[in-house]
Amino acid sequence: DQQVKQNSPSLSVQEGRISILNCDYTNSMFDYFLWYKKYPAEGPTFLISISSIKDKNEDGRFTVFLNKSAKHLSLHIVPSQPGDSAVYFCAAKTGANSKLTFGKGITLSVRP
Amino acid sequence: DTGVSQDPRHKITKRGQNVTFRCDPISEHNRLYWYRQTLGQGPEFLTYFQNEAQLEKSRLLSDRFSAERPKGSFSTLEIQRTEQGDSAMYLCASSQNSGRFYEQYFGPGTRLTVT
Repeated sequence: DQQVKQNSPSLSVQEGRISILNCDYTNSMFDYFLWYKKYPAEGPTFLISISSIKDKNEDGRFTVFLNKSAKHLSLHIVPSQPGDSAVYFCAAKTGANSKLTFGKGITLSVRP
Repeated sequence: DTGVSQDPRHKITKRGQNVTFRCDPISEHNRLYWYRQTLGQGPEFLTYFQNEAQLEKSRLLSDRFSAERPKGSFSTLEIQRTEQGDSAMYLCASSQNSGRFYEQYFGPGTRLTVT
């Protein structure tokens, strides 16, 4: 039972353009959402997060949008750079329960 | 920059052998987590500690798996009688103690290959 779903396995964008990575969830108890970036042979690196009381959080080139009614969040990267090429994981957690539930990830390729 | 460290980075073992992995969290973090990641999947939760107390274990953590955090600092994850299905990346993460809106920071992982 996949509670966090990243339905597109890969995305390819041109350098300088916007990358939009999508994530859907089914558990309405999730109240905190995170995006991680992962390079091969390394652990996931925290990128940006958002709590359920907000609908947008921005950090430099990265913006996360949350649509609670649709149980959907998205990560926007503007402008995309070749160094952004990696696997991106969406993750969620519930209140005092500290464990993260991850999606399967999406591979982003940014073409020069 | 003292992030989360894990040792060893790679481990190759024969089926039936026991293996032990170590994780050193960020020093001021009281919470420590273990996850497992297999090819094509996101990390899956195994267990977590607050200080030395193991507060939750996933059903993925069979009887062959045991985790400890004896002094509330580093943690070890032991797998007894390894099976080929145990081959995976084992990830450790840590986070601050208070509140619920804190990010988990991951180490580089230990890649286990069971032959």
